[in-house]
Amino acid sequence: GENVEQHPSTLSVQEGDSAVIKCTYSDSASNYFPWYKQELGKGPQLIIDIRSNVGEKKDQRIAVTLNKTAKHFSLHITETQPEDSAVYFCAAEAGNMLTFGGGTRLMVKP
Amino acid sequence: GAVVSQHPSRVICKSGTSVKIECRSLDFQATTMFWYRQFPKQSLMLMATSNEGSKATYEQGVEKDKFLINHASLTLSTLTVTSAHPEDSSFYICSATGQLYGYTFGSGTRLTVV
Repeated sequence: GENVEQHPSTLSVQEGDSAVIKCTYSDSASNYFPWYKQELGKGPQLIIDIRSNVGEKKDQRIAVTLNKTAKHFSLHITETQPEDSAVYFCAAEAGNMLTFGGGTRLMVKP
Repeated sequence: GAVVSQHPSRVICKSGTSVKIECRSLDFQATTMFWYRQFPKQSLMLMATSNEGSKATYEQGVEKDKFLINHASLTLSTLTVTSAHPEDSSFYICSATGQLYGYTFGSGTRLTVV
């Protein structure tokens, strides 16, 4: 089955700096890669996603890149703000189900 | 956009009792619903997948007699934790997908068994 690894597990940045979270996956059949933000005590919320026919996607301060050959994808957050502090999960879809990475706790210091 | 409503948001029950958690897709028909369990500071672990009108498919290691899943309609799935014990205390999250919508998650249910 699919295996998704996510790094780093924790990330601390100063407000205004950029944050990058990286994920690798194992199943070459995976074709959909969403990123979720989870705040304490809440369910995950989709922040951006990318499909395998696209190499990069951007939405304001958030961007995702995908390298299908290397089987890795990354989340980039620019101009970080304190409200970006949360746990971020990457996921890969294979066989009509998502497999999640281990999560990254992002802390943005004011 | 797609909205998935999950209730209750938190529940405390006595050991040995059963608890039911509801997951509803409010504005779309959910052909498939997923139930996850999440321990503190850990990722989401898929427990089972259910399609409307069919029996749920459970992941390896998940007791189907303890975690009963019913997906009776295209907008409602329920998870019943039977004979709950303290080790069942966790954060349970549902997710739904439909023809036009990807994976939308509910807000989660914090179950505490005392």
